[in-house]
Amino acid sequence: QPVLTQPPSASGTSGQTVTITCSGSNSNLGRKSVSWYQHLPGTAPKRLLYDNYQRPSGVPDRFSGSKSGTSASLVISGLQSDDEADYYCAAWDDSVMGWLFGGGTKVTVL
Amino acid sequence: EVQLVESGGGLVQPGGSLRLSCAASGFVFKNSWMTWLRHSPRKGLEWLANIRPDGKQTYYAASLKGRFIISRDNAKSLLYLQMNSLRDEDTALYYCSEGNSHDYWGQGVPVTVSS
Repeated sequence: QPVLTQPPSASGTSGQTVTITCSGSNSNLGRKSVSWYQHLPGTAPKRLLYDNYQRPSGVPDRFSGSKSGTSASLVISGLQSDDEADYYCAAWDDSVMGWLFGGGTKVTVL
Repeated sequence: EVQLVESGGGLVQPGGSLRLSCAASGFVFKNSWMTWLRHSPRKGLEWLANIRPDGKQTYYAASLKGRFIISRDNAKSLLYLQMNSLRDEDTALYYCSEGNSHDYWGQGVPVTVSS
C-alpha cells in the first residue's frame, strides 16, 4: 500500500526557516503534483500550495514548495507564532486511484 | 465567497448508519469536483472519496471497503456521504472540500461511533 511519509514534528524559533519533507513513490509523487495543507485541529484545513509550488491568493510568500523525483518539500521562512499548526502533504496515487495524505508534521515555534 | 457547510453528524452506535450533507455556495457547484475527508487524532487527515462534476464517476479510499457512498445533487448544490456499518474507528471530524486539489474546505461535522 503506497504512503506519503512526513516527519512527525519540526520546530524553530521566530524568524527561522523550517523545512518539512514528504516522501512518496513512483505511483504518486513520482508522476503527480503535490499539495500542502495547514491544519489547526477542529478548524477547516487551509490549502497552502498546489501543483508543487503554486500559492493560492492570500498565502504569504514565506511558504514555498518544491518537488524532485518522489520527494517534496515545504519551506516556511521567517517563522511566526501563527505558523504553529499541523502540515500535511497530499497527492493522487495512480496505483490505488485515490488521494494520499501524509501523516502530518506538527510545527512548533519555540 | 466559497462556503461549504456540513451537517448530519452525531452519535451513532457501532453498525449503524449516518448520512452527511454538505451545502455549497459561492461557486458553480455543477462544475466542481467534490470530496469528503476526515480528521482524527489517531490518523490525521484522511481522504475518503471524491465525485466528478456530473456525478457519474466516483473514487473511494480502499480502507472504506464499500461501506461509504458519495453522491451529489447539482440542482440543489448538495454533496452527500452515506455511511453504513459504522465502526469505532470512523469517529472523526468529517469535512467536505471543493476543487481539484481540495481548494476550499468546510468547518467539519463531528461523527462519534460508540455504544
